[in-house]
Amino acid sequence: GNSVTQMEGPVTLSEEAFLTINCTYTATGYPSLFWYVQYPGEGLQLLLKATKADDKGSNKGFEATYRKETTSFHLEKGSVQVSDSAVYFCALSDLLDSSYKLIFGSGTRLLVRP
Amino acid sequence: DAGVIQSPRHEVTEMGQEVTLRCKPISGHDYLFWYRQTMMRGLELLIYFNNNVPIDDSGMPEDRFSAKMPNASFSTLKIQPSEPRDSAVYFCASSFHSGSSYNEQFFGPGTRLTVL
Repeated sequence: GNSVTQMEGPVTLSEEAFLTINCTYTATGYPSLFWYVQYPGEGLQLLLKATKADDKGSNKGFEATYRKETTSFHLEKGSVQVSDSAVYFCALSDLLDSSYKLIFGSGTRLLVRP
Repeated sequence: DAGVIQSPRHEVTEMGQEVTLRCKPISGHDYLFWYRQTMMRGLELLIYFNNNVPIDDSGMPEDRFSAKMPNASFSTLKIQPSEPRDSAVYFCASSFHSGSSYNEQFFGPGTRLTVL
């Protein structure tokens, strides 16, 4: 079946540090891949997405590249800010089963210190 | 648009009581999803609807849980009777899908349920 595996958190960084949050997936079809972010006390919101192999999603300085050969979709940011502190979820959607369900990873909490 | 609206934002109840959570999706969206989030189990999909029809309820944990969508602008998730282990944040999300393209799910702010 389809699944998403994320690195364990929390990840604690100083402001302006480089961020990588690892995400790998297992899928039977041709999934689309997503990163969602959840700020404290709020619902999830889409951060970026990629719908086919080698696509790069980007938003707010965050990037992730859809790597089919390594089944990965790692999230990166060159210089984090305190305001980036949140929980980040990797997710996939596999339209092969005609479903629009999202399969989420367990989430990775990021804490950025000033 | 106001986004996905959920009510109440917080609910505290006693074990055995009935709890009803409400959701108003974004106008024009044809899919609605109910999720539950806990520290132990993370984010779980409970049930989702397409054009008001339940499509997959395999995530509903027990018969104590039920969900309805009487029209395109309203859905409820009911727990009867509630138990302490139902304590969690419940999210509603909606999306619109044209053809085979994926469109993002928009999440509501959630309802934090505490069952004493």
